[in-house]
Amino acid sequence: DADVTQTPRNRITKTGKRIMLECSQTKGHDRMYWYRQDPGLGLRLIYYSFDVKDINKGEISDGYSVSRQAQAKFSLSLESAIPNQTALYFCATSDLRLAGGRLQETQYFGPGTRLLVL
Amino acid sequence: GQNIDQPTEMTATEGAIVQINCTYQTSGFNGLFWYQQHAGEAPTFLSYNVLDGLEEKGRFSSFLSRSKGYSYLLLKELQMKDSASYLCAVKKNYGQNFVFGPGTRLSVLP
Repeated sequence: DADVTQTPRNRITKTGKRIMLECSQTKGHDRMYWYRQDPGLGLRLIYYSFDVKDINKGEISDGYSVSRQAQAKFSLSLESAIPNQTALYFCATSDLRLAGGRLQETQYFGPGTRLLVL
Repeated sequence: GQNIDQPTEMTATEGAIVQINCTYQTSGFNGLFWYQQHAGEAPTFLSYNVLDGLEEKGRFSSFLSRSKGYSYLLLKELQMKDSASYLCAVKKNYGQNFVFGPGTRLSVLP
């Protein structure tokens, strides 16, 4: 079973609609992230959360909102979808661990949600 | 601010060695990561450098020079399955934690 899951995997919606993308994890990590990926631009951070009820804006938060009601779930909402929000969306979790005597934070990504806004 | 640069595309031959470079400008540097991403799939962790020098892991090695804001990923004995995008990411010690470069698409030819 996948440790980080996203639903739906694919979604087509119309301009102006409100939609929600869900992310769940079984890794027990406190930190969770939402990114979008566009060709040539790499991954850009939308929002992140370090704990339940903790919400922080990333690089491109306008037009998006998130909710972190439980450690295992982090949902992303598009309040009123527009065509330039068409992208591949990734959820990620991260943990902190000692590796080679150093503290290392590593991210683990979900499979992605491909969103098309018409 | 932060700026991360990588070549857009690279091509190499099966069995060869390829070096993918990454340069960055950032404040609050707290480590550099390399991820592999096959088309349409999620990025997967390859390596982590926080101190200067070379980290080796099997066929993959990663190098960091903090004073130069420079890293590279070295892939040896290339295989066809290594065809993928390679993402360089900088971790900051405050605020927006991870900043990703645009990725380098590597094509391995027979």
